[in-house]
Amino acid sequence: DIQMTQSPSSVSASIGDRVTITCRTSQNINNFLNWYQHEPGKAPKLLIYLASNLQIGVPSRFSGSGSGTDFTLTINSLQPEDFATYFCQQIYNTPTFGQGTRVEVK
Amino acid sequence: QVHLVQSGAEVKKPGASVKLSCKASGYTFSSYAIHWVRQAPGQSLEWVGWINVGNGKTKYSQKIQDRVSITRDTSASTSYMEMSGLTSEDTAIYYCAKIHSSGWAVFDHWGQGTLVTVSS
Repeated sequence: DIQMTQSPSSVSASIGDRVTITCRTSQNINNFLNWYQHEPGKAPKLLIYLASNLQIGVPSRFSGSGSGTDFTLTINSLQPEDFATYFCQQIYNTPTFGQGTRVEVK
Repeated sequence: QVHLVQSGAEVKKPGASVKLSCKASGYTFSSYAIHWVRQAPGQSLEWVGWINVGNGKTKYSQKIQDRVSITRDTSASTSYMEMSGLTSEDTAIYYCAKIHSSGWAVFDHWGQGTLVTVSS
């Protein structure tokens, strides 16, 4: 299976901050990477698919970039509803997920 | 509006089996595959397997392929995941997810999750 290294494991931020989360894969996956937001007790929510495509209904402050083995999720101007856990997923072959990044209140 | 509604929490003894359901609404059920994913306490997400709802073909994680079966009932717009030989390592929240039109494992809608607890 393709290994996923997501960092940081947690980040403390304030409203209005820019937050950057990275995901590195153990092999080239082209652009077959997705990002999700997960709040406790809720269903995960698709944010970005295939590295850089914003899912319908997701605010434009979320963006994704990267290809090959290195990918980034950026949240511009953090909002109160953005405090959650974010995780990446590769779908180049058998899906695997990153360990998650918890965005906490600073 | 798309909804995936999963069955309620289960408590099972080691060695038992469990069958979970995932009822879909708001879209053409047979047009989109369903995947199952689980999250054990303190762990990341783990892919369990998927079913092509149209033709019923399935594929499973190699780790658990001998113990898991994913099926569907198109007349009921429902997918099922059955797992046998449960151990404490199977204690997790199990999610079903519908694929997005863009890719085989892009999950655009998820169920609310079902907690399965395996304990003696």
